[in-house]
Amino acid sequence: AQKITQTQPGMFVQEKEAVTLDCTYDTSDPSYGLFWYKQPSSGEMIFLIYQGSYDQQNATEGRYSLNFQKARKSANLVISASQLGDSAMYFCAMRGHNQGGKLIFGQGTELSVKP
Amino acid sequence: NAGVTQTPKFQVLKTGQSMTLQCAQDMNHEYMSWYRQDPGMGLRLIHYSVGAGITDQGEVPNGYNVSRSTTEDFPLRLLSAAPSQTSVYFCASSYSIQGAYEQYFGPGTRLTVT
Repeated sequence: AQKITQTQPGMFVQEKEAVTLDCTYDTSDPSYGLFWYKQPSSGEMIFLIYQGSYDQQNATEGRYSLNFQKARKSANLVISASQLGDSAMYFCAMRGHNQGGKLIFGQGTELSVKP
Repeated sequence: NAGVTQTPKFQVLKTGQSMTLQCAQDMNHEYMSWYRQDPGMGLRLIHYSVGAGITDQGEVPNGYNVSRSTTEDFPLRLLSAAPSQTSVYFCASSYSIQGAYEQYFGPGTRLTVT
């Protein structure tokens, strides 16, 4: 069975500093995908970044980067230069091999950015 | 291009009532899914579809039915509402670009069962 674990229920970061949100996963699929979503207090789910298990390089999207360590089964999200608008819930998610409609989510990390 | 739309945005039901949550997408995505989000938790998959006429169960399918007669629509039916089904329901659609299967989420339906 697939599983996503986010061990940080809440995190604080000072504005303009970098922060790392942890995510570990478990799967026996030969290929898989890892996602990070942001959920602000308004409730919508916003896609941030994707990493495929066979991608050679870590994914980056603007201020977001994914620190993918396959052997350790971790997919941590790094947010550089935090902004007040980054305060939100962040969810790590995984889909298995050829499972396009199925995402397994972690329990989330609530990030608060301090001015 | 409206993306993924969900109706209604809010709903209150009494125990035992049935209803259908509507979901539509105009992006011609092959995959569609329903998730529920309970307070303080991540999303859990209820049902999903890989194309018109094809559906399958997710992690928490009990008490819900789905069908997919068209590519665009994927309604979720609550057969006999229970207080345990109080939750926020998200519909999502996705397609594959080099395996990414990025999911686009609707705005959610907040359901309360009394």
